[in-house]
Amino acid sequence: SSELTQDPAVSVALGQTVRITCQGDSLRSFYASWYQQKPGQAPLLVIYGGNNRPSGIPDRFSGSRSGTTASLTITGAQAEDEADYCCGSRDSSGLWLFGGGTKLTVL
Amino acid sequence: QVQLQQSGPGLVKPSQTLSLTCAISGDSVSSNSANWNWIRQSPSRGLEWLGRTYYRSKWYKDYAEPVKSRITITPDTSKNQLSLQLNSVTPEDTAVYYCARLIGSPGKYYFDYWGQGTLVTVSS
Repeated sequence: SSELTQDPAVSVALGQTVRITCQGDSLRSFYASWYQQKPGQAPLLVIYGGNNRPSGIPDRFSGSRSGTTASLTITGAQAEDEADYCCGSRDSSGLWLFGGGTKLTVL
Repeated sequence: QVQLQQSGPGLVKPSQTLSLTCAISGDSVSSNSANWNWIRQSPSRGLEWLGRTYYRSKWYKDYAEPVKSRITITPDTSKNQLSLQLNSVTPEDTAVYYCARLIGSPGKYYFDYWGQGTLVTVSS
């Protein structure tokens, strides 16, 4: 199917590890990219091409893929990581898909 | 450093045309490696890709199926910017609109720079 599915909300205790997942058929062929978004701000790229971090993104952010599921892992979550996280990928026709987003709460 | 600066009205009447502009600095709208996109976001639909334009010896444009009959994305090489026009708007088109650069390699594309966003409200 031409869609990406994410859990609406996830929570993590401060300093613990959390995994946010994104599922879709397109992920078998194309790597997901991940975007962090805080209220009132534009999305910020945090992971691309599977497990690459742009300059300035902390190394506690990592990505992976297995079959049709892409994952964003935050190892040692910090209070400032509380945000919405959205995955994106090309689809089979070359156009672009976004997941519905996951709201991360750091407890 | 690439910067995308958006401009345009924040209020549009139903049935009229939404028009936004995205001025590019630090890159070229005619780049042979980038795609220039419009994306919108609303609480009900999340991030929604609308369309793109890119230059590879000639200009290409792709549009998302739900808006294909109403949307036009136009590059302006003289001003190094791109524009969005969305016709016959309804309140469902109320959203924050972003321009964004898409870059990467086969299988590994991503949006690395985004405009600041423009809240467009469709209301009479």
